[in-house]
Amino acid sequence: QVQLQESGPGLVKPSQTLSLTCTVSGGSISSGGYYWSWIRQPPGKGLEWIGYIYYSGSTYYNPSLKSRVTISVDTSKNQFSLKLSSVTAADTAVYYCASGYGPHSYWGQGTLVTVSS
Amino acid sequence: EIVMTQSPATLSVSPGERATLSCRASQSVSSNLAWYQQKPGQAPRLLIYGASTRATGIPARFSGSGSGTEFTLTISSLQSEDFAVYYCQQYNNWPFTFGQGTRLEIK
Repeated sequence: QVQLQESGPGLVKPSQTLSLTCTVSGGSISSGGYYWSWIRQPPGKGLEWIGYIYYSGSTYYNPSLKSRVTISVDTSKNQFSLKLSSVTAADTAVYYCASGYGPHSYWGQGTLVTVSS
Repeated sequence: EIVMTQSPATLSVSPGERATLSCRASQSVSSNLAWYQQKPGQAPRLLIYGASTRATGIPARFSGSGSGTEFTLTISSLQSEDFAVYYCQQYNNWPFTFGQGTRLEIK
């Protein structure tokens, strides 16, 4: 059973870069077949897919965030990471890492990131 | 980007009754449609994929149907643990997109 766990700062200042890491256990990112995604949910609102990385390193980002997003993978640590630059209060959300081949079968518990000075 | 529209926004149903939730895509997504259940403070849980296939461990009272642009999630006999928010998601085209959610509440 694949398990995912997000980690990173819960508070980020406006204009700075949000950085989160997702640690995968119970399965290997390198085994292929799955997309490793980041999804966010502003408080009280719906889900927004941010982007994915494949084990090979190929990525796809939501065009609405593309200019500010970088997703990377460290297969040696079985982790993948999210960087979101130039954050504003609108980026305050619960950030989830998730995986699947299309539908997201596995999700982390989520981590709340607040953008505030 | 494909826009997913769910209806209704809120559905009030009594325990034991049937609930029918709808999801419409702005263009065809074939059968590449998933449904998720989300309870307060929890991550979404995959219920249905391929429009009609139940995910592992999902009770048979959950069923999905549809293809193209019109989809339905049916819960045949509501249990107390089913009251939650439900999201549809298309994974036919990048970027993957979610509906805005339907809140299923106790009547």
